[in-house]
Amino acid sequence: AQKITQTQPGMFVQEKEAVTLDCTYDTSDPSYGLFWYKQPSSGEMIFLIYQGSYDQQNATEGRYSLNFQKARKSANLVISASQLGDSAMYFCAMRALSGAGSYQLTFGKGTKLSVIP
Amino acid sequence: ETGVTQTPRHLVMGMTNKKSLKCEQHLGHNAMYWYKQSAKKPLELMFVYSLEERVENNSVPSRFSPECPNSSHLFLHLHTLQPEDSALYLCASSTGWASNEKLFFGSGTQLSVL
Repeated sequence: AQKITQTQPGMFVQEKEAVTLDCTYDTSDPSYGLFWYKQPSSGEMIFLIYQGSYDQQNATEGRYSLNFQKARKSANLVISASQLGDSAMYFCAMRALSGAGSYQLTFGKGTKLSVIP
Repeated sequence: ETGVTQTPRHLVMGMTNKKSLKCEQHLGHNAMYWYKQSAKKPLELMFVYSLEERVENNSVPSRFSPECPNSSHLFLHLHTLQPEDSALYLCASSTGWASNEKLFFGSGTQLSVL
C-alpha cells in the first residue's frame, strides 16, 4: 500500500519569493514515481514535475524543482519566484513502477498555496 | 481545443434521478480514468479503462456505472445517489502507466446530490 502525507493544509508566500511545499510518502514498492500536480480554482489538475525513485538528480521544470530525499521518503516541491498565478491547490502523488497496480496514482490531501502581492 | 473535456461542469440531482457524466479526450490516449475528489480527502480512483477494457473498479458502489464505448469517450452513469456522493468528479487520460506517464485531467463535474 502507498500513502502520501502533505502536512501543510495552507501556505502563504510573498510574490517573487520562493516557497517549499512538503510531501512525505510511504511505500513498500522497490521502484516508484513521484508527481506534483497543481489545481487552480477552475478544477483542472495540471502536471508540474516528475521524479523517479531511481533518478540520481533532483528533477527541475522551469520554476519548479523537486527536493527528493529518498532516505527520508520526502519529495518536497520548491517553487521559485512565486507569481500570483501560482495560487492554487498543490497535490503530491505517487505510483508504483512495477506490479499489477501501477496504474494507481495515489494522491495526498493537498496544500493550498496563496501568493500575496 | 482542450485535451480532456468534461460535461456538464455542474450537476444538481435528487437521490432518485438518473444522470450521466461525459468525458472526451482528444489526445490519442489509450487509458481513461474516473477520480472522485471530496472535500478534505485525497483524490480517490474509481475506475480505470485501458483500450476500452475495464482494468480496475476500486470497490465503487453499483450506483456508479462506467461505460467506455471507445478510447476517446468515457461515461459515468449515476442512479439513486446519496448526499455523500456530492463531490468533484474528475476524468483523466494517459497513454499508459509506465514510469513517468502523466495523467491529463479535465476540469471536472461538480456534483451535488440533494
